[in-house]
Amino acid sequence: GAVVSQHPSRVICKSGTSVKIECRSLDFQATTMFWYRQFPKQSLMLMATSNEGSKATYEQGVEKDKFLINHASLTLSTLTVTSAHPEDSSFYICSAFPGGPGYTFGSGTRLTVV
Amino acid sequence: ILNVEQSPQSLHVQEGDSTNFTCSFPSSNFYALHWYRWETAKSPEALFVMTLNGDEKKKGRISATLNTKEGYSYLYIKGSQPEDSATYLCAQRNYGGSQGNLIFGKGTKLSVKP
Repeated sequence: GAVVSQHPSRVICKSGTSVKIECRSLDFQATTMFWYRQFPKQSLMLMATSNEGSKATYEQGVEKDKFLINHASLTLSTLTVTSAHPEDSSFYICSAFPGGPGYTFGSGTRLTVV
Repeated sequence: ILNVEQSPQSLHVQEGDSTNFTCSFPSSNFYALHWYRWETAKSPEALFVMTLNGDEKKKGRISATLNTKEGYSYLYIKGSQPEDSATYLCAQRNYGGSQGNLIFGKGTKLSVKP
């Protein structure tokens, strides 16, 4: 079946540094990738939609200059959290639509900013 | 209902028990209802996607029903097994095509005791 590989699974970084999260579609082409985050005891919330070859679209309240999205190929989308702060600590997960009835998700990235 | 709501938040059952959870969603602007099974440190696994009022889907011991007029879906697990322990997420999709995104509930965490 369709697989999305997400790395890293866990990262701890210092406040003020940047962190890059990668999502790769392994056996299908993903023209669109969805990026979600989940704070403790909350639901997965869509942050942004990345589109291959064009600018990402961001949900209301998500800073595009802080969460940089690059979708340069049909199999790779990256999310960079720039100048990370403790309040950015969260669980980030990507998903793509391989063409079947459901979405395929990565396994998520736990980001801790200290 | 403005959000996707799931109940109960958590559930503890004995092996062999049958159980069910509820997902309530806004009935306006509805396109599809997704159920996912999510084990810790793994990718959410798609269980069902349902679109039509009255839909019923089954996968082994797990089944789901959909009522789009009143805005709810039930997930049933017959004869729960320890390997069924996971968080079960439902999500509403509001429009079709790859640009659709999912609005998630907070999930129901199921623990099955041997």
